[in-house]
Amino acid sequence: DTGVSQDPRHKITKRGQNVTFRCDPISEHNRLYWYRQTLGQGPEFLTYFQNEAQLEKSRLLSDRFSAERPKGSFSTLEIQRTEQGDSAMYLCASRSIQGSYNEQFFGPGTRLTVL
Amino acid sequence: DQQVKQNSPSLSVQEGRISILNCDYTNSMFDYFLWYKKYPAEGPTFLISISSIKDKNEDGRFTVFLNKSAKHLSLHIVPSQPGDSAVYFCAASAEYNFNKFYFGSGTKLNVKP
Repeated sequence: DTGVSQDPRHKITKRGQNVTFRCDPISEHNRLYWYRQTLGQGPEFLTYFQNEAQLEKSRLLSDRFSAERPKGSFSTLEIQRTEQGDSAMYLCASRSIQGSYNEQFFGPGTRLTVL
Repeated sequence: DQQVKQNSPSLSVQEGRISILNCDYTNSMFDYFLWYKKYPAEGPTFLISISSIKDKNEDGRFTVFLNKSAKHLSLHIVPSQPGDSAVYFCAASAEYNFNKFYFGSGTKLNVKP
């Protein structure tokens, strides 16, 4: 399977703990995106990378959130000092370099529950 | 600021009939639109897209219509099948920032056998 993979699929943590999620994009895709989806809403853009460069961050991405893509392949999203409001599905997507009119391919997501 | 809106949270259709899912947007700079389908416990899967130079795009049972003057698009599924039961998201992007997709809140389609 050469789709986008995410790990873990589920994470339960206590408020105040740090969590880290991993995303492995489709191998030939140089663009990688993170989204957050809460219940009853569509995915909301958080940030994106072109290769290892983080080119845009949403204002939703507070200073407790940090994302990296050190070698331009997999990416990690870390949330420090988690809050109950961070409970959501965190989706990763990737996209090929070919043009601007093409789709993003999504992974299965990591569901975070903060107790 | 919800720039893409799906005002129907749910839709129920009989198998074999047409399903019509609607989406409205507010940003006139949007020029690329997509529909994604999402099953429970899975990520969204791309279904069909349309650029603003067209007003219709068809792929098998799925057709997307774009009305730029009304800032409205719709997804038609004909004939509907029980396997189409899922949440459908409309998304849009603009050429000046094509890396940022704006999603609607989704419409849950239930196709009854």
